Amino acid sequence: EAEVAQSPRYKITEKSQAVAFWCDPISGHATLYWYRQILGQGPELLVQFQDESVVDDSQLPKDRFSAERLKGVDSTLKIQPAELGDSAMYLCASSPVTTGLGQYFGPGTRLTVT
Amino acid sequence: QKEVEQNSGPLSVPEGAIASLNCTYSDRGSQSFFWYRQYSGKSPELIMSIYSNGDKEDGRFTAQLNKASQYVSLLIRDSQPSDSATYLCAVVRGGANNLFFGTGTRLTVIP
Repeated sequence: EAEVAQSPRYKITEKSQAVAFWCDPISGHATLYWYRQILGQGPELLVQFQDESVVDDSQLPKDRFSAERLKGVDSTLKIQPAELGDSAMYLCASSPVTTGLGQYFGPGTRLTVT
Repeated sequence: QKEVEQNSGPLSVPEGAIASLNCTYSDRGSQSFFWYRQYSGKSPELIMSIYSNGDKEDGRFTAQLNKASQYVSLLIRDSQPSDSATYLCAVVRGGANNLFFGTGTRLTVIP
């Protein structure tokens, strides 16, 4: 069964350091999403790609976060510099062209900033 | 008003009982509705989708949608301890192409 791949699964970093997460969506899924999930809350969208183009990054803290999907397949989310408040689960999801058919999540990256 | 609201629970039911999870949403133009199950420390897993008023059944799960009341629910029949998880309601708003999630309801099934 096709799955969304993410790495690393866990990351511990010190504040002010840079950190990067990688995601490989389900083959053929044109739409890719990055979410942040704080413990006890639902996932919140950070950025949405349609192929290689950003569709929605309105909730992405652009002073420290960046995301790219250069060839329209896999994607990287970067945080620089990391802050204590960035500690969370970072989830990648993908869907066929329209999200009306549901999104499928990868295993996530648990980030701890010390 | 939040886009999607759920009772955070916890909701406890005995094994074999019916668990009822509820969700309300604010945007009347919303078209697509999903339930995700999330085990502790894991990522959300899509378990049900529903698009039109009424009931949709899949095994022990039944999703119910009432657009007039802006209400969607998930029933789990014959609850098992393995159903113990947080259940997230998610909605695609009208004119949008992304999901808005509730905060989730934590369900515990007691053996």
